[in-house]
Amino acid sequence: GQQVMQIPQYQHVQEGEDFTTYCNSSTTLSNIQWYKQRPGGHPVFLIQLVKSGEVKKQKRLTFQFGEAKKNSSLHITATQTTDVGTYFCLNYGGSQGNLIFGKGTKLSVKP
Amino acid sequence: NAGVTQTPKFQVLKTGQSMTLQCAQDMNHNSMYWYRQDPGMGLRLIYYSASEGTTDKGEVPNGYNVSRLNKREFSLRLESAAPSQTSVYFCASSEAQRFVLGRSQETQYFGPGTRLLVL
Repeated sequence: GQQVMQIPQYQHVQEGEDFTTYCNSSTTLSNIQWYKQRPGGHPVFLIQLVKSGEVKKQKRLTFQFGEAKKNSSLHITATQTTDVGTYFCLNYGGSQGNLIFGKGTKLSVKP
Repeated sequence: NAGVTQTPKFQVLKTGQSMTLQCAQDMNHNSMYWYRQDPGMGLRLIYYSASEGTTDKGEVPNGYNVSRLNKREFSLRLESAAPSQTSVYFCASSEAQRFVLGRSQETQYFGPGTRLLVL
């Protein structure tokens, strides 16, 4: 079945450094969503990408969807301690009920 | 609006005991979901309900049953708990569920979670 690989699993950065997490699929993705989960919290929706090559920005966060719609990335510029958490990508697969979350990238930020 | 609520927040069970996790949403959403989250495994779909009156299996349904009581409520039942079911359980809802390729999908709204320990 369709799988979405998310890398890296963990990322430790110094405050002010940049951070990027990637979701990669062997098959074409219909669309992709990104979620953030703070420690001890629940996932919260960040954004959805639908179109090939789409780029969206939210303040310091930049989201990209690859031209072939097989990969996506989330980039944070100049990380802050408030960015700490786990970032997940979610793809709705081609068949009903085929909701595929990436395993997440856990970001820690050292002040 | 409370959004998605879950009860209980924490629960400790002994192997073989049964329990029901409750979930309710006040956003008039059609679709509801149950996930489990384990370290290093991400979120895995247990069951979902695309609309009131329907339920379907997700990726990891074994050992669980669900009931879509009405449009607002979706419960998850463990009939005979096992240590392998120790996890954090999240309920979620979305306005609708569409699986047609190329069409946009709705945002999932998650509840605060239930932490379950099975001894």
